[in-house]
Formats: sequence, structure tokens, C-alpha cells
Amino acid sequence: QQPVQSPQAVILREGEDAVINCSSSKALYSVHWYRQKHGEAPVFLMILLKGGEQKGHEKISASFNEKKQQSSLYLTASQLSYSGTYFCGTEKGEGGSEKLVFGKGTKLTVNP
Amino acid sequence: EPEVTQTPSHQVTQMGQEVILRCVPISNHLYFYWYRQILGQKVEFLVSFYNNEISEKSEIFDDQFSVERPDGSNFTLKIRSTKLEDSAMYFCASRGGSFWGASTDTQYFGPGTRLTVL
Repeated sequence: QQPVQSPQAVILREGEDAVINCSSSKALYSVHWYRQKHGEAPVFLMILLKGGEQKGHEKISASFNEKKQQSSLYLTASQLSYSGTYFCGTEKGEGGSEKLVFGKGTKLTVNP
Repeated sequence: EPEVTQTPSHQVTQMGQEVILRCVPISNHLYFYWYRQILGQKVEFLVSFYNNEISEKSEIFDDQFSVERPDGSNFTLKIRSTKLEDSAMYFCASRGGSFWGASTDTQYFGPGTRLTVL
């Protein structure tokens, strides 16, 4: 069951903030956030494990609400380099060989 | 920083031909994966591999697909008889972890091989 991401697309001006959501109908063990630029591989941003933690990475942070099976990615004071498609990948179990199930992605465009 | 590498970066083949996509996972990683991404779509899981055997495979991973870890470093995906619909970007990923427990690490993706089937 793939997670549902919203919104599908966001257009920002440099310096604006954005929130990208990822929700699942199944209980999750972890949520992984990636950013992909056109023609490139997904680049890992952060992982959130069961426990409802929040993580930060420069001006990008994320939260994971285990009860609601939802994760949100927060991008503050966006930069041009933030443009790309953001994917959440979810895992239902803690085994090392668990697959990631990806959402359809959120395309973020940051304009000057 | 260690990274996953993949070769070739682009492979063009005729329908019905066999292709082998190669990956060198990050050294000391234990879990290996293949994913694919059709242009403009989401990343889809194909197969996971651990301890020299397949852990899980998706419905996409039919009898035409196989994976192998022929030596201590390479991890290959073979498509025996390619179809037009196999055209996609194929990503290899690897993940660290312990032999006895769960991994709290993420999966690190290689740069991908773009497969074009004519």
C-alpha cells in the first residue's frame, strides 16, 4: 500500500516555506525522505523511526506521528537548490531487508 | 564518502535481448535492493537481497528477472528477455546493518542505469 503524498506540486519564491505531507493507511516502522533532481538518483534527506520523533537538517526538518501514520517534511526559507521532487518512502517493519514503498512524489519548484 | 556505483549509466538494447545491470554496493553493507522508475513516475521496489538470497520480490520481478552477487562486491540484475515496458531507470540501493538485528539506517541509492528497450 503506497503512502499518499500531498500536495502533488508546490511553487515557491526563494525564502518561502513549504510543508510536504506523507500518510499511510498501514502502521509504519519508519519514514525516509528523499529528494530527486531530474535525471538523478534519489538523495537521502532523513529517516524518522517509530517513536514520533522530529529531526532537523539545516533548514529542512521532519516529524513522524506514529498514531496517525503521518510524516511531514518542513522546508523553511527555501533556496533555489531545494527544487526537485520529494519522495517519502515507508517501511512497515524493522527488518533490515524491508523494502521502501514510495509515494508518487511532490514536485517543488523554487523561483528567484 | 562511500557511495553505491552502477554501470553502465545508459544501456540501449533490442527487445528480446538479455541485459545485465551492475552495481557495487557500499562496502560492509549487508542488504541490497533493486528499484526501478519509469520516466515521470514513482520509484518501485523490485527485489531485496540478504545473505546471498532473495528476501522479497515484487510482482514486477517475474521469471525474466534474476539477481546475483557473484563475488564479494558486485550485485547484478539480469533481465533475460527484455520487453518494451522494461524501459526505465534502474536503481541499486544498499543498506548497513547487523547480522542479528534490525537496521535503523536508510537505503543509499546509486546513480541509476537508464535502460532503453527498442
